[in-house]
Formats: sequence, C-alpha cells, structure tokens
Amino acid sequence: DAGVIQSPRHEVTEMGQEVTLRCKPISGHDYLFWYRQTMMRGLELLIYFNNNVPIDDSGMPEDRFSAKMPNASFSTLKIQPSEPRDSAVYFCASSIWTSNNEQFFGPGTRLTVL
Amino acid sequence: AQKITQTQPGMFVQEKEAVTLDCTYDTSDPSYGLFWYKQPSSGEMIFLIYQGSYDQQNATEGRYSLNFQKARKSANLVISASQLGDSAMYFCAMRVGRDGNEKLTFGTGTRLTIIP
Repeated sequence: DAGVIQSPRHEVTEMGQEVTLRCKPISGHDYLFWYRQTMMRGLELLIYFNNNVPIDDSGMPEDRFSAKMPNASFSTLKIQPSEPRDSAVYFCASSIWTSNNEQFFGPGTRLTVL
Repeated sequence: AQKITQTQPGMFVQEKEAVTLDCTYDTSDPSYGLFWYKQPSSGEMIFLIYQGSYDQQNATEGRYSLNFQKARKSANLVISASQLGDSAMYFCAMRVGRDGNEKLTFGTGTRLTIIP
C-alpha cells in the first residue's frame, strides 16, 4: 500500500487567502485524523472522522477551519481566511479498528502564511 | 482530563548503549492505550509500539520495549543497542477508553541524539 498521501507537501500563501490541504487515507481504513504540529503547541488533534462522519471536532481552532470527508478515500482541511498564526505542519493519519488501532501518519503539509 | 508528560526535552546517548525515554500519564479511565511514535528530522511520524492497559506483559517490538508500570502510571520506552538512526524526536501518546473514542493525546516529546 502507498500509505497515507497528503498534498501539497509545502504551501506558501499570503494572509487572507484560502488554503486547502488534501489527504488520501490508506485503503480500507475507517478512521481519518487531522493534526497540527507547531513548536509552541506540539501535536494537536484537530478533527477525526469515522466512516466519513466527523466524530470529534473539538480541536478545530475556530470557524476559519473546516474539514470534509466526502468519501472513504479523500478528505480536505480548509482554512479561510488564512492567518500567519496558522503556519504549521498539518498531518493526516488513518487507522482501522484493531486491538490497538495505531494511527498511520502521512508525510505532512508544511504551511507558511506570510 | 487526560495528560501525557515527557520530562526529558533532550537526551544524548552513546551509540550501542541502551536508552530509556520517560513517559507518565494521567487518566481515571481503567481502559486506555499507550503509544510511542518516532519523528526523524525528515518529519514523518512512525509508530513504534503499543501497550494496552489490560495487557499483562510489557510490549516488545524488536529493539523497542515498553516498561509499563501501571501503579506508577508510567510507560517508558526502552531502546536497546542504540544506533545513529535512532536520533529523532520521540512522542508518547495515550488513547482513553474505547467504544469509538480514538482521540490520541500526545506528550511534548523527547529529542534523542545518538553520539558515535
């Protein structure tokens, strides 16, 4: 399997612009997670889905952030409008229900908002 | 509330020596799982090892083992015979309960540097 695929790998944008991050989970996985990693706050869970349904979005910072999962093989995280404090590495991860249910992470998208 | 604490921001270890990375956790739920992830300088997160709260034996995966002390609420990662490629950030994480709760809470990480 190709693993979790994220695009783009790097994104540089200007404040106020819309940013869309994309994720393709591992085929057959029924959980999908979006994380954000910064030096100040570490690794934070933003939202996760089970069978394409959002389960917990309590980590989404504010209304500027939205996430969708239209089908089992694709998810997006959108920031509109973007701000410099959104600069971070955004990870997508997926998992399948097992006894330990470890999460497999994608390579991340490094977002820089100028 | 769930909390993971990693008290060692950085460690330097001589190659071939064993390494212990500390992790303590706090939860009142009797059902939980503990994970360790490695993040090399390239940035990806790599799953290393898992320990369930009801597991009777400490988990092992190759050179990795988890020293699980339930009464002390600690889940230290032990790396035997360290290698230069072990240099990375290491994160401890916890999932509390089951029945659909798959949220992981991560610690702040420990940066491990292996010295030749």
